[in-house]
Amino acid sequence: EVQLVESGGGLVKPGGSLRLSCAASGFPFSAYTMNWVRQAPGKGLEWVSSISDSSTYIYYVDSVKGRFTISIDDAKNSLFLQMNSLRADDTAVYFCARTGSISCYACHFDYWGLGTPVIVSS
Amino acid sequence: SYVLTQPPSVSVAPGKTARITCGGNSIGSKSVHWYQQKPGQAPVLAIYYDRERPSGIPERVSGSNSGNTATLTISRVEAGDEADYYCQVWDSSSDHYVFGTGTKVTVL
Repeated sequence: EVQLVESGGGLVKPGGSLRLSCAASGFPFSAYTMNWVRQAPGKGLEWVSSISDSSTYIYYVDSVKGRFTISIDDAKNSLFLQMNSLRADDTAVYFCARTGSISCYACHFDYWGLGTPVIVSS
Repeated sequence: SYVLTQPPSVSVAPGKTARITCGGNSIGSKSVHWYQQKPGQAPVLAIYYDRERPSGIPERVSGSNSGNTATLTISRVEAGDEADYYCQVWDSSSDHYVFGTGTKVTVL
């Protein structure tokens, strides 16, 4: 059974940092593109970042470029999002999601975690 | 940047048909994916590649895509279909995924 479990969210002051993790199981993690999607309170879904298998392709939404870094650890079947210089508008639930086909970086997201909340506030 | 526009809300009586549109410039040339999200839950893939249904999604859920509009159709609507629905595409010109603005489906 495919499982994605996010952790690392919490309350952080503006300008601070957080590192989100997503533990994956039930599939060959190293073969899939992985993604982060966020949802601000009462708002819609916003794609944040994607990383292809072997980290060949890495993409970010413009609003987080230079502040967030996506990475993977195939040995630990884990996806990460290092978030620096956090702002109030980064407040959201952050979801980890798997891309629906092996070695595809522009496909649908077929499995999602439950999300981890990030609150940026002084 | 590429924009996907959805109606904020759609209301439908039980047993009727709900149609949720997703508008974008030449969206018919892209692959559209649809997600259902219920309150407090993670999104669930409902339709991928315009019209493909994942396992577990009933046949009364279907999709189409042509011109500047993609459509998610839910036939014989049930109370359990009440949720937010989002369309999604990959914009190759910016190497970004884009989600639609979302549509709240209310079952009367």
